[in-house]
Amino acid sequence: EAQVTQNPRYLITVTGKKLTVTCSQNMNHEYMSWYRQDPGLGLRQIYYSMNVEVTDKGDVPEGYKVSRKEKRNFPLILESPSPNQTSLYFCASGRVANTGELFFGEGSRLTVL
Amino acid sequence: DAKTTQPNSMESNEEEPVHLPCNHSTISGTDYIHWYRQLPSQGPEYVIHGLTSNVNNRMASLAIAEDRKSSTLILHRATLRDAAVYYCTRRTGANSKLTFGKGITLSVRP
Repeated sequence: EAQVTQNPRYLITVTGKKLTVTCSQNMNHEYMSWYRQDPGLGLRQIYYSMNVEVTDKGDVPEGYKVSRKEKRNFPLILESPSPNQTSLYFCASGRVANTGELFFGEGSRLTVL
Repeated sequence: DAKTTQPNSMESNEEEPVHLPCNHSTISGTDYIHWYRQLPSQGPEYVIHGLTSNVNNRMASLAIAEDRKSSTLILHRATLRDAAVYYCTRRTGANSKLTFGKGITLSVRP
């Protein structure tokens, strides 16, 4: 089954404690991206990757890091989480061409105390 | 940045057709129009996309105005499982992102 898998689905952590949200896709997609969803602000892109070892900032990259060492994986790293990073996070993947659909994971709800 | 405008909410009766409108008057000529929906506690789900011609798939139909300034997502027979937030959007730019607005909240009455 074609899918994008995120882990963990739910996490409560404390300020400053490094964490990683993993994302894996099994569709051999070149393109992967992270979004965060906040009430009243919709979905905003954090980082994206056009292929292995190719990553770039989206609209709200501050406080986040990513890496793309393998085609299927695109982890989101919060080196020193802060309460304003409490949010619902979605990973997405798709073909590079802008005409194609994106496949989203089920989301990771992160709470930073 | 081109914006899309949608009503905040719509209601429909089960098994009746639903027409969800979207205005995108500043969309560029090469941007595809995408529709996604998001069910409660789930990630966005692709519904349909198109450029100029009307498009059909197993989930819905997409009617695009001739001037491309608006489009309409058509659910031919609404079911209770179609109750969701529907986003009209576009995928464009070097970062290939989808720009999501607030979407339309569709309620389906049994």
